[in-house]
Amino acid sequence: DGGITQSPKYLFRKEGQNVTLSCEQNLNHDAMYWYRQDPGQGLRLIYYSQIVNDFQKGDIAEGYSVSREKKESFPLTVTSAQKNPTAFYLCASSRTSRSSYNEQFFGPGTRLTVL
Amino acid sequence: QKEVEQNSGPLSVPEGAIASLNCTYSDRVSQSFFWYRQYSGKSPELIMSIYSNGDKEDGRFTAQLNKASQYVSLLIRDSQPSDSATYLCAVKAGGYQKVTFGTGTKLQVIP
Repeated sequence: DGGITQSPKYLFRKEGQNVTLSCEQNLNHDAMYWYRQDPGQGLRLIYYSQIVNDFQKGDIAEGYSVSREKKESFPLTVTSAQKNPTAFYLCASSRTSRSSYNEQFFGPGTRLTVL
Repeated sequence: QKEVEQNSGPLSVPEGAIASLNCTYSDRVSQSFFWYRQYSGKSPELIMSIYSNGDKEDGRFTAQLNKASQYVSLLIRDSQPSDSATYLCAVKAGGYQKVTFGTGTKLQVIP
């Protein structure tokens, strides 16, 4: 059963804490992405990775970090430097980021709330 | 100016009618266009992709692309209450360019 999984579904963070959101895919996709969605706003790109051991900042990377040690996994860490982290976080993947024909598929999302 | 613009809605249509959702984009070199459906509290689901001018049909869904006018639309025929959701338009230029998402149009299908 191919797809993208994200965990946890809900996450609560205290002020000053770092938290890590998990994203795993078994679609054999090269490219993976992290987006943030806030009410009334479109999806905003945080980080993306075109290949293992490589990643680039998106539009709103400040306060976030990622790693891509395995093709299947692209975890996102929300650091204490992110001042307004409460949001719906979405992980996506595509066969490649290079082609024009790059359809992105999304995981179920993680809803992060700062207490 | 927003890169991808959509009317936020809500767009209300009666059950069985045709729902028409529109999207305009600013980057003339855009090559790939996607429609996603997002139910409340859920993640976006890809329902259509279109790459060349004209119409593309898939079941009750038809995507229409007009690159000269820089708009893409999604028609939903025989609308059902289960189609009630927010529809996101997404646009990508070629190469390694990112995908840019609109803020979405909320569709309500009234039984």
